[in-house]
Amino acid sequence: QKEVEQNSGPLSVPEGAIASLNCTYSDRGSQSFFWYRQYSGKSPELIMSIYSNGDKEDGRFTAQLNKASQYVSLLIRDSQPSDSATYLCAVSSTGTASKLTFGTGTRLQVTL
Amino acid sequence: GAVVSQHPSWVICKSGTSVKIECRSLDFQATTMFWYRQFPKQSLMLMATSNEGSKATYEQGVEKDKFLINHASLTLSTLTVTSAHPEDSSFYICSAPSGNLPEQFFGPGTRLTVL
Repeated sequence: QKEVEQNSGPLSVPEGAIASLNCTYSDRGSQSFFWYRQYSGKSPELIMSIYSNGDKEDGRFTAQLNKASQYVSLLIRDSQPSDSATYLCAVSSTGTASKLTFGTGTRLQVTL
Repeated sequence: GAVVSQHPSWVICKSGTSVKIECRSLDFQATTMFWYRQFPKQSLMLMATSNEGSKATYEQGVEKDKFLINHASLTLSTLTVTSAHPEDSSFYICSAPSGNLPEQFFGPGTRLTVL
C-alpha cells in the first residue's frame, strides 16, 4: 500500500522564522510531489509542485525533493501568522493527471 | 491556477434522503475529476475518479451504489449520496487537473450533515 507520512505536529515557529515541513513516501516509483495548504474548514490550496531532485523556490516557499531518500520537504521563510494552517504532502505515481495520495498533514502554528 | 466550484457549499438533510453535490471546472475542461471525503482532523481520502463519458472508478471500500458519480460533460461531475445516514456526514471535496498536468485544483468543498 502506498503511504505518505508526515509528522502531525503542531509545529510551532515564531513569526519571521523558517518553518520546515517534512514528508516521506513509500512508493519509489512516485514522480510528482505536491504541497497543499489547508486552513481549518476550507479545502486544500496548491502551494508547490516539484518533479525532479533538488530545490524549487517560489517566493517565501522552497520545496526540496530527494528521490533516493524518498522524502520531500517544504521550507517557509519569514513565517507569518497567516501561514498557520495544515500542510498536506501529496504524491502521484505518474507525471500526468492521476490520483494523489495524501499524508495526514502537519499543523503549523506561527506565533507572534 | 484553474478554478473549480462546488455546489452547495453546505447541506443538511434527513437520514434516508439523497443529496447531490456538483463539481464544475469554470475556466478549463476536465476529462477527469476526483472526489474526496475528509472527516474531522483526518486527511483527504480519495473516494473515486470521475471520468467524462464513462463509469467512475471507485476506491476500495467505497460503495458505488451508495455514492453515485456522473460526469456527463467536460466541466461537470456530480456526486449523489443515496440514502444518507449520519455516518456519511463529512466534508466532500472535488478536484480536477487542468490539462494534462499533474497538478490538481480543489473545489471549495461541500459540508454534508445528515440528521
